[in-house]
Amino acid sequence: SQKIEQNSEALNIQEGKTATLTCNYTNYSPAYLQWYRQDPGRGPVFLLLIRENEKEKRKERLKVTFDTTLKQSLFHITASQPADSATYLCAPNNNAGNMLTFGGGTRLMVKP
Amino acid sequence: EAGVAQSPRYKIIEKRQSVAFWCNPISGHATLYWYQQILGQGPKLLIQFQNNGVVDDSQLPKDRFSAERLKGVDSTLKIQPAKLEDSAVYLCASSMTGGGSPGELFFGEGSRLTVL
Repeated sequence: SQKIEQNSEALNIQEGKTATLTCNYTNYSPAYLQWYRQDPGRGPVFLLLIRENEKEKRKERLKVTFDTTLKQSLFHITASQPADSATYLCAPNNNAGNMLTFGGGTRLMVKP
Repeated sequence: EAGVAQSPRYKIIEKRQSVAFWCNPISGHATLYWYQQILGQGPKLLIQFQNNGVVDDSQLPKDRFSAERLKGVDSTLKIQPAKLEDSAVYLCASSMTGGGSPGELFFGEGSRLTVL
């Protein structure tokens, strides 16, 4: 069956460091993959979309990589700030209907 | 631009009672989704609408859950009768695209349901 794995344990890092979050998927052949941010008590907010033919995508301090051979996406936040503390969700999509299935999310805590 | 509106924000009911949630998507968005998010987990898709037609409802527990999107705009999600395991946040999302091209989802703030 299709499975999306994100680290269930919280990632704690020091302000200014680079945070790296992992999204692994099995039994998927996604044409693209999206990353979302979710703050407590709020709905998820879209951050980035990367297509299967793109190895890397950047937006300000964010960088996403997509390795279809490893079936993995990495999400990086450089020069992290306490305001980056949130849960980050990945959502690979392998069909044309834009039906998104989400991973369990990884909680990031950036300490000042 | 107004975002996705959901109500109520919070609802507490006893098991076997019924509850309904309402969602108003962003104007012009053809695709509407209902997700269930249990505490500590990622959102799980319940149903997807394209205009007023159902695209996918394979994960909707149809013996107790129902959803409709009349006139292709607002949508309601109903649970009857509720079970303890239905305690979760119900998220509504909308998207401009669908049926062939990727696009970001815009989520509402969610409706938190507690079943006692």
